[in-house]
Amino acid sequence: NAGVMQNPRHLVRRRGQEARLRCSPMKGHSHVYWYRQLPEEGLKFMVYLQKENIIDESGMPKERFSAEFPKEGPSILRIQQVVRGDSAAYFCASSLLNQETQYFGPGTRLLVL
Amino acid sequence: ELKVEQNPLFLSMQEGKNYTIYCNYSTTSDRLYWYRQDPGKSLESLFVLLSNGAVKQEGRLMASLDTKARLSTLHITAAVHDLSATYFCAVTYMDTGRRALTFGSGTRLQVQP
Repeated sequence: NAGVMQNPRHLVRRRGQEARLRCSPMKGHSHVYWYRQLPEEGLKFMVYLQKENIIDESGMPKERFSAEFPKEGPSILRIQQVVRGDSAAYFCASSLLNQETQYFGPGTRLLVL
Repeated sequence: ELKVEQNPLFLSMQEGKNYTIYCNYSTTSDRLYWYRQDPGKSLESLFVLLSNGAVKQEGRLMASLDTKARLSTLHITAAVHDLSATYFCAVTYMDTGRRALTFGSGTRLQVQP
């Protein structure tokens, strides 16, 4: 049973470009969470989604960031007009409907030049 | 405001020694998690603690939870080099509908031969 998959694993963007990060949850999992980890820091919650619904986006920056989890396909975290401060590791986690343990993907390390 | 504090933030210890990592949280939580992260890697779930007085052990690691004190501990017995990693505690507040994890800053553990 494949775990949570994320791609790309590494992404380099220049300031002003767009970054798209993808997350495929574990098979059967319908809850997806995105977290951001700055160097030498803990993870910070960004957004929680179920299929076709954003449930909690209290951790998302108000501008430039958006997330979706369509009926078909992976969840996508989109960052428009990236700035150097967006450089971080972005982790996706998934869980089953009635279970709480979140299983984490390998992360996407974004570097903005 | 939800806060999770860990201490120490950095711990260097010799093989064979015992030590404890502490995790305090600010508001009544319903679940507490411990995760391990190796450098450049994702998070591995170690323990889930659900109720006051819960104790779980896996190998040289033992986690406990005191909900009245809002404190969890991760005890390391007879440390070995393979335990070198960063350890995070995290809480959820399911009763408020907040399923997202709130993480501590992490404890970077270095076990010296």
